[in-house]
Amino acid sequence: DGGITQSPKYLFRKEGQNVTLSCEQNLNHDAMYWYRQDPGQGLRLIYYSQIVNDFQKGDIAEGYSVSREKKESFPLTVTSAQKNPTAFYLCASSILGLVGETQYFGPGTRLLVL
Amino acid sequence: EDQVTQSPEALRLQEGESSSLNCSYTVSGLRGLFWYRQDPGKGPEFLFTLYSAGEEKEKERLKATLTKKESFLHITAPKPEDSATYLCAVRTNYGGSQGNLIFGKGTKLSVKP
Repeated sequence: DGGITQSPKYLFRKEGQNVTLSCEQNLNHDAMYWYRQDPGQGLRLIYYSQIVNDFQKGDIAEGYSVSREKKESFPLTVTSAQKNPTAFYLCASSILGLVGETQYFGPGTRLLVL
Repeated sequence: EDQVTQSPEALRLQEGESSSLNCSYTVSGLRGLFWYRQDPGKGPEFLFTLYSAGEEKEKERLKATLTKKESFLHITAPKPEDSATYLCAVRTNYGGSQGNLIFGKGTKLSVKP
């Protein structure tokens, strides 16, 4: 089955701690994305990557970091600099082309602060 | 500033009561409008992509339409299993962001039996 997996489903962070959210896809998609979803707000883009070893900041990158060492993997680290990390985090992927590419989403990781 | 607005925020329907959800947008050059369905605690599920005004797409009880300023998601004879939050997103024509998606806040649909 082709798809996007995210782990863990729930993650608890202590103050001052860095935590890493996993995202893996076996769709052979070029591009991968991380979004944050808060109640009553639209999805907001954190980081995206269109090619291995390259990534770009989205609208709310402060306090987050990413890497793209493999095409199928795009982990997100929530650092201690992110003061309000409680949210639902969504990973997505898409092919790249000249017309509007569809993004497909994973099941999400809910991050809670202890 | 590029913007996507969905209305209403919430919609309650009786089973079988048809209605429409609205997504209005102000963007500089549309490269695609996307509809997703999201169940509580899950990731969005792709429904439709529309590219140009006048385009329509259908899937079961859902039909999406597009004009130059807005899109409608028509739900015909809905069932309780259609209850979910419906998200609209647009991709614009420019930029260094390679035209990343701009999302609306969603419409929460509840269908009562």
